[in-house]
Amino acid sequence: DVKVTQSSRYLVKRTGEKVFLECVQDMDHENMFWYRQDPGLGLRLIYFSYDVKMKEKGDIPEGYSVSREKKERFSLILESASTNQTSMYLCASINGEDTQYFGPGTRLTVL
Amino acid sequence: QKEVEQNSGPLSVPEGAIASLNCTYSDRGSQSFFWYRQYSGKSPELIMFIYSNGDKEDGRFTAQLNKASQYVSLLIRDSQPSDSATYLCAVKAGRRALTFGSGTRLQVQP
Repeated sequence: DVKVTQSSRYLVKRTGEKVFLECVQDMDHENMFWYRQDPGLGLRLIYFSYDVKMKEKGDIPEGYSVSREKKERFSLILESASTNQTSMYLCASINGEDTQYFGPGTRLTVL
Repeated sequence: QKEVEQNSGPLSVPEGAIASLNCTYSDRGSQSFFWYRQYSGKSPELIMFIYSNGDKEDGRFTAQLNKASQYVSLLIRDSQPSDSATYLCAVKAGRRALTFGSGTRLQVQP
């Protein structure tokens, strides 16, 4: 059974703080993704990675960076959190048959 | 124009009825099509995927794909109150990540 875990379910940070969101998958998937989900806007792709140390920008990368030092771990970094980054953040990984599995999500509030 | 369009709903159906959820997409190169269900406060979970034109059935769920019309739908037969959720349509072209619609909220009335 595929498992994608995220470090926190709920997180509250202050404007300007550096924020790390961690995602770990246990199925040896090469492809991992970070989305944010906002009401009325759906899921929007922030960054994705097809391999260790490899990253590609998604549709809304501004204000974010990522790190993939190990195959199982994909981190999303908010260099200087802002209130418009308050959102639900969802990590996902994908297997060879294109089935994308999501983590439980992190609801981030930036005050 | 959004790449994947869904009616936001809510779509309200009585228990036992057929719920029909629709999705259109703009990229003719899209190859794979997915339906996810998302309960409030939870992450999306995969219901079905379809690659070829026509129908694909899995239990009470049927996915329908028409690539010429760039249209994919999900039918839920014998709808149950537990089916009440937001249904997300997603498409994939090439190696890109999935592109999601905004979702349709389904309400099944007991």
